[in-house]
Amino acid sequence: NAGVTQTPKFRILKIGQSMTLQCTQDMNHNYMYWYRQDPGMGLKLIYYSVGAGITDKGEVPNGYNVSRSTTEDFPLRLELAAPSQTSVYFCATTPGTGVFGYTFGSGTRLTVV
Amino acid sequence: GENVEQHPSTLSVQEGDSAVIKCTYSDSASNYFPWYKQELGKRPQLIIDIRSNVGEKKDQRIAVTLNKTAKHFSLHITETQPEDSAVYFCAASKDGGTSYGKLTFGQGTILTVHP
Repeated sequence: NAGVTQTPKFRILKIGQSMTLQCTQDMNHNYMYWYRQDPGMGLKLIYYSVGAGITDKGEVPNGYNVSRSTTEDFPLRLELAAPSQTSVYFCATTPGTGVFGYTFGSGTRLTVV
Repeated sequence: GENVEQHPSTLSVQEGDSAVIKCTYSDSASNYFPWYKQELGKRPQLIIDIRSNVGEKKDQRIAVTLNKTAKHFSLHITETQPEDSAVYFCAASKDGGTSYGKLTFGQGTILTVHP
């Protein structure tokens, strides 16, 4: 039972490049989230999903896209990377309504140069 | 939307002392308040949480108190140990409607416990 798996752990991108951050969970949780954590700051919600085929924007969605074709996978896509997207990205899951305890992935540290 | 303010941003204590971290929230409909501990380079881990129908919750050396009227909640760590050194985040959420378990986090408190 791996929980929430994020890949890659580290990545350096050049300005304008694109990449996909992967998040996979094996807990059969309905709700999945992407947060970014900037240095010295709390976590801010980028996108979230309440089930396969359903996604919605969070607080800071600009420059990102997501999809949720299966319960297990919730990839985050960065198009045209910018230095402002340098951050640590965390994927998190929770079973669903009424149960809020997040399980976080180990994070992806992204640097855009 | 919800706004969560956390204070202090840094806290330094001697081993054995108590530490208190405070958070205020803006949305009176929020009813779930977790606290996360994040060690350097690691993922946040839930350490304790409280719902709005409870005023206080304890788990060994950790306790959380909630004042719904004033819209603030606090984390209390007693008999601090060096391994308590980490960044602590508070968060708020509300059940039902379109909240979907989304958490709004505070800015974090760097706690350092000196031996």
